[in-house]
Amino acid sequence: QSVLTQPPSASGAPGQRVTISCSGSSSHIGRNFVSWYQRIPGTAPKLLIYADNQRPSGVPERFSGSKSGTSASLAISGLQPEDEADYYCAARDDSLNAWVFGGGTKLTVL
Amino acid sequence: QVQMAQSGVEVKKPGASVKVSCKASGYTFTRHGVTWVRQAPGQGLEWMGWINPYSAMTNYAQSLQGRVTMTTDISTSTVYMELRSLRTDDTAIYYCARNDNGGNDYFDPWGQGTLVTVSS
Repeated sequence: QSVLTQPPSASGAPGQRVTISCSGSSSHIGRNFVSWYQRIPGTAPKLLIYADNQRPSGVPERFSGSKSGTSASLAISGLQPEDEADYYCAARDDSLNAWVFGGGTKLTVL
Repeated sequence: QVQMAQSGVEVKKPGASVKVSCKASGYTFTRHGVTWVRQAPGQGLEWMGWINPYSAMTNYAQSLQGRVTMTTDISTSTVYMELRSLRTDDTAIYYCARNDNGGNDYFDPWGQGTLVTVSS
């Protein structure tokens, strides 16, 4: 069972907006930065969002991140077929002295 | 550009050990930590631990304490992850990733992954 809680699945039609949540506690999300990763089956995870809401160069503006208290969210607007992937949130956990991940959310583009 | 190149597929028997390598390029090796993450079939990502190539300081996941060792070879910019007393539930894809060194706590880029299969 993962320390950070994500919905196991999400879906949306092309062009729609989808939001994926990531819930935690004050020992990780509440006090440290959240990052988000996209994993397309057969490929390595790719950084999508860091420091809660920052996009690395090359990541489309359609991807955005936010955080409030002990929860974070990843929003994908203008959904495209190539966005179909698994998405993971992560944060450093001060009480465990470790990094923790969410269980992952499988996004299906209908 | 920055790359993390991992060693190839491994097949091991229960009780054996495996050592996976991760060769970094495109940046100053000693300025970034390296993290190892694994993904078992049908499961999510699991953080295994971290090593500071400059100091060789490590921090391992509690669940793997005593079975995992991470080391570095500065001369070849390579990080190694050794896992001992393998069990069938250690079957997974193992990834290395470069740590951010600016206090933003993220992993980028990731290696291509190394499939380790543990089976009798």
